[in-house]
Amino acid sequence: AQTVTQSQPEMSVQEAETVTLSCTYDTSESDYYLFWYKQPPSRQMILVIRQEAYKQQNATENRFSVNFQKAAKSFSLKISDSQLGDAAMYFCACPYSGGGADGLTFGKGTHLIIQP
Amino acid sequence: EAGVAQSPRYKIIEKRQSVAFWCNPISGHATLYWYQQILGQGPKLLIQFQNNGVVDDSQLPKDRFSAERLKGVDSTLKIQPAKLEDSAVYLCASSSRRGVNEQFFGPGTRLTVL
Repeated sequence: AQTVTQSQPEMSVQEAETVTLSCTYDTSESDYYLFWYKQPPSRQMILVIRQEAYKQQNATENRFSVNFQKAAKSFSLKISDSQLGDAAMYFCACPYSGGGADGLTFGKGTHLIIQP
Repeated sequence: EAGVAQSPRYKIIEKRQSVAFWCNPISGHATLYWYQQILGQGPKLLIQFQNNGVVDDSQLPKDRFSAERLKGVDSTLKIQPAKLEDSAVYLCASSSRRGVNEQFFGPGTRLTVL
């Protein structure tokens, strides 16, 4: 069964510093996408970044980038120049493999705290 | 472009009562998902619709949960009767194309069962 493990329940970083959130996953899919979602206290999930598994190049979106290691099934998120608005729960997600559905399986999340 | 709408935002009920949640996806999005997010955990997929058909509901507790999307647009998720362990946030998401595109999430409905 597909699983997503986020080993850091909480991370704290000083404003303007860089932080890396870790994620490992397991999926039986051969071609898939991986996602990082952000959930601020208002609870609306927002897509941060997406990685296509068949692409070797790591995805980048402004201050957000990933380190994708397909063989190791590792998918970490790096946030550069952290800002107060980055404070939120961050969820890593891989494909849900069941019954033909293509929803997502999420990790338990990492609570990111930004220290001013 | 309007986002995914959900109502109500909050609901408190007694155990064994019934409750229904409503979702209106982004216009034109054929794929609709319902997730359950228990406090301290990530969302868990309950059911996926493609237009008005069910793609997968293997994680939906069918003895008490039901969902429908009769006209392929709005969707309703119902719990009858509710248990204490059903307390969670119920998230609706939609996508314009299966698999590759991002899922857009609604604000969720926070259910408390007393």
